[in-house]
Parts: sequence; C-alpha cells; structure tokens
Amino acid sequence: QKEVEQNSGPLSVPEGAIASLNCTYSDRGSQSFFWYRQYSGKSPELIMSIYSNGDKEDGRFTAQLNKASQYVSLLIRDSQPSDSATYLCAAEGRGFQKLVFGTGTRLLVSP
Amino acid sequence: EAQVTQNPRYLITVTGKKLTVTCSQNMNHEYMSWYRQDPGLGLRQIYYSMNVEVTDKGDVPEGYKVSRKEKRNFPLILESPSPNQTSLYFCASSQVEYLAKNIQYFGAGTRLSVL
Repeated sequence: QKEVEQNSGPLSVPEGAIASLNCTYSDRGSQSFFWYRQYSGKSPELIMSIYSNGDKEDGRFTAQLNKASQYVSLLIRDSQPSDSATYLCAAEGRGFQKLVFGTGTRLLVSP
Repeated sequence: EAQVTQNPRYLITVTGKKLTVTCSQNMNHEYMSWYRQDPGLGLRQIYYSMNVEVTDKGDVPEGYKVSRKEKRNFPLILESPSPNQTSLYFCASSQVEYLAKNIQYFGAGTRLSVL
C-alpha cells in the first residue's frame, strides 16, 4: 500500500465550478499535510498546508483534514483554466525530515 | 530573490560516466533534499541533509551520493549512471523553524537522460 494515495485523474471540471481533490494516507503518525501544484515540466509549488483537523481556507482554496479517516482534500472554488495542473498531496513522514508525496491528480479546467 | 538553483537543467549522458548535479540555495536554509520524479511513481526522496556535514538516505538512495560541505550547496553525484536513473530531479530546501512546518521550496528541476 502506498503511503499517500491519490486518484491520478484527470479530473475535468468546467470553468467556475468547484474542483475537489482527494488524498488518503497510511501513517497515523503524520501530523502535517501539504498540497503542491505542479504545471507540466515545472517544479512543485506549495499552495496549502494543514496541520489540524477541519478546514483551512486561503482565497479560492480550502484544505480539509480528517485525521480519524486519514483523509485530506483540497477544494478549488471558481476554478479557472489556469488551475489546470497536477496537484500533489504530501504528508510528513518519519519525522519532519521527510515529505511523502502521492503520485498526483491531474486537473483539467475547461473554458 | 529567494531561490533554489539547479544546474544543469538538461543533461544527456552515457552509462558509467560520472556526473554531478549542483544545487544551491540563498535562503540560509538548514534542510536540503533531493527528489526524483518518474511517471506513475510521483516524487521520491533520494537523500536529505539537516545541516552541514549531516546527510541521510531517503527512499531511493541506491546509485547516488551527496555531500553538504557548505550550508548553501547540496550536490547530487551519480558515480556510474545507469539508464534506470533517467528521470526528472528536483532539489528542495527548507528552514526548520518548527518541527511540523517543513515547507519545502523546490528548484526548477534537472531532466537527466542516461543512454
């Protein structure tokens, strides 16, 4: 079982819709979780971090964490074509020295 | 400007020819790390360093070496590259201010092809 799992997609949504990206993790000891956005051929860019159960909002982005269910999600409101990218979920693993990444979900936002 | 700089950005080489990919950061970060990214496998950590002269293996260290003689530099060394090391490589750095808030900044990547 992979430590961090994501559906590879693609997830297709129309412009203006809400995109919902999901991630599960296996290590109950993980305390910190991150969402990175990666455009094709580019480096990952951190967009959200979350450490506590519940929701964390930042502009059009909302990260949700449920430690009991070992589940992390990212909601993107009012999706734009420029949001089309691969979204990587990452969890802190084996102490803070390591980030464990999922394989990413490709999001396509159509005009 | 705060940045993580990798060189070269693109490299084509042949099996067995030693190479070094350099990584430098100007943010005075203690923590630096190397990842490789392969289709369907995501980002996997190769090595990381908590500070000068302190390095440790990640998930896929075989075939790679690193050194951390200066805080700003963390080169990745392939002593005898093989075709299965063809990949996209990223260097990352972070300030370890709080244990739980390890937010990493990535370099632009190095695309390596080993023939």
